[in-house]
Amino acid sequence: GENVEQHPSTLSVQEGDSAVIKCTYSDSASNYFPWYKQELGKRPQLIIDIRSNVGEKKDQRIAVTLNKTAKHFSLHITETQPEDSAVYFCAASLSGANSKLTFGKGITLSVRP
Amino acid sequence: NAGVTQTPKFRILKIGQSMTLQCAQDMNHNYMYWYRQDPGMGLKLIYYSVGAGITDKGEVPNGYNVSRSTTEDFPLRLELAAPSQTSVYFCASSYSGTSGRETQYFGPGTRLLVL
Repeated sequence: GENVEQHPSTLSVQEGDSAVIKCTYSDSASNYFPWYKQELGKRPQLIIDIRSNVGEKKDQRIAVTLNKTAKHFSLHITETQPEDSAVYFCAASLSGANSKLTFGKGITLSVRP
Repeated sequence: NAGVTQTPKFRILKIGQSMTLQCAQDMNHNYMYWYRQDPGMGLKLIYYSVGAGITDKGEVPNGYNVSRSTTEDFPLRLELAAPSQTSVYFCASSYSGTSGRETQYFGPGTRLLVL
């Protein structure tokens, strides 16, 4: 089955700096890669996703890049703010019938004011 | 729309007791999922359903059972609760069709403590 890994487990940045979180996946057939943000005590919420037919997707301060050859994808957050502090989960799945997401263990991002 | 709702929010069980975690969605999603989240361990899939009357095991199904009699509801049953089932349980739903939309929407979670 699919295996998704995230490194590092924690990341601390200064407010205003950029943060990059990387994930690797094992199944070359996976074609859907979402990122979820989970604030303390809250539910995970989708912040951005990408499909394997594109290499990059942006939404305001966040972007995701995908390298299918190397089987990794990254979340980029620019101009970080304290409210960006949260746990970020990446996931991978094969689209279509019976699709199931495999999640990474999550990265705790801390933005220092 | 209320989205995905879960009850109860918090529950303490004694070892060997049973309970049902309720989950409902009003988005007419065909897929529903149950995850457990242990500290620092991400989300593990327990069971999922692709439609009413159809369920399948996920990564960690032992000690749990599910049913899906309607599109809206997907209860998770714990039989003979064990301390290892202490966790936060999230229900999620998504629509998977020809458009390929697979965004999963999560409920607020149920925190379960087994003593």
